Amino acid sequence: DSGVTQTPKHLITATGQRVTLRCSPRSGDLSVYWYQQSLDQGLQFLIQYYNGEERAKGNILERFSAQQFPDLHSELNLSSLELGDSALYFCASSESGGGGANVLTFGAGSRLTVL
Amino acid sequence: QKEVEQDPGPLSVPEGAIVSLNCTYSNSAFQYFMWYRQYSRKGPELLMYTYSSGNKEDGRFTAQVDKSSKYISLFIRDSQPSDSATYLCARSTDKLIFGTGTRLQVFP
Repeated sequence: DSGVTQTPKHLITATGQRVTLRCSPRSGDLSVYWYQQSLDQGLQFLIQYYNGEERAKGNILERFSAQQFPDLHSELNLSSLELGDSALYFCASSESGGGGANVLTFGAGSRLTVL
Repeated sequence: QKEVEQDPGPLSVPEGAIVSLNCTYSNSAFQYFMWYRQYSRKGPELLMYTYSSGNKEDGRFTAQVDKSSKYISLFIRDSQPSDSATYLCARSTDKLIFGTGTRLQVFP
């Protein structure tokens, strides 16, 4: 157990729907990162939050949004889902806001299947 | 050009072999490089990281960075079936940017 908790583990939904993925970071970590992993694209950085504030943005679609709450847990919202959004979504956390040897601890992932 | 490029494999070797996994990166300003291991249906876990150039050793694993050629390598000595996983290299600045990963299979 890495200490990073992600729910749900699996999710099956239909095109056009909206889902929310949840992440609780490791105790003491202030940063939360979201990554998408698909077979053809590898692990793609989506977005980072540090202590409630957006810190960095990657290849995140406009249909996707995220936030980090005062208790430091984070949610990733995916809307108007398309077949191509089917992927593993990983949350990771770290102590710092980034820079240097930024060691991330990953959760077990949420597997999203869009039918 | 992707920031970090990695041969996806798969790489299949017999138990006990020395494995060499490689990545190239595009920006010479990158300072920290990391190797993560990901077992099937699990999240990536940090193996080791290196700063700038040189080698770093941890048990059977050695990470090497060659800044002149922008090359990152991970060597696994005396490979075991339990080493069968996907190995991801990454560069670290404000965020981790990963290569696509190399799938390694070590057969008994």
